[in-house]
Amino acid sequence: DTEVTQTPKHLVMGMTNKKSLKCEQHMGHRAMYWYKQKAKKPPELMFVYSYEKLSINESVPSRFSPECPNSSLLNLHLHALQPEDSALYLCASSQGGSLAEAFFGQGTRLTVV
Amino acid sequence: AQSVTQPDIHITVSEGASLELRCNYSYGATPYLFWYVQSPGQGLQLLLKYFSGDTLVQGIKGFEAEFKRSQSSFNLRKPSVHWSDAAEYFCAVGALQAGTALIFGKGTTLSVSS
Repeated sequence: DTEVTQTPKHLVMGMTNKKSLKCEQHMGHRAMYWYKQKAKKPPELMFVYSYEKLSINESVPSRFSPECPNSSLLNLHLHALQPEDSALYLCASSQGGSLAEAFFGQGTRLTVV
Repeated sequence: AQSVTQPDIHITVSEGASLELRCNYSYGATPYLFWYVQSPGQGLQLLLKYFSGDTLVQGIKGFEAEFKRSQSSFNLRKPSVHWSDAAEYFCAVGALQAGTALIFGKGTTLSVSS
């Protein structure tokens, strides 16, 4: 199994809502990542978890809250988002703590209304 | 500063013609180089990677890339493009140290004409 599974595929939420994005992998990878991607732009790193500990937070606003319950799961909790947060949110995983041989999920298309 | 430059924002190639997408990098340490492809609304798929050894690397879908240290380049090539190759292509550079993350170029959009 070489897949990174993200749910939901699409999400529409209001600015007062609380929602969560989920990411799952069963490749034994110990590093997991959240990226944000706007249209026609490259992915922007948000968070890195290495061995279930947050190792990188790229100055992401607190309305985004990551969580890594175990080595196979990665969540991104969303609260009080703004319309400009609408984007494709990509999860990735890799061996060890590096991004070499990273596998990306299909992403969650988030629209904030 | 570490960076990746993809000079071509958009390229159109006729089906069956050859393709070359350019990538230049600036990286202080030994670079590990990647090419990813992304179809609209989809995640990124790894086409190929270079870590060390032979500077000409083969990837999936008939793609290859050549690492040229003297030119700080890692250009992607394909001898004959298919309509299904139309997508966004990202070059990226990274390191194998724990906690590091990829640095992506801005991407090149490939259109294929019939």
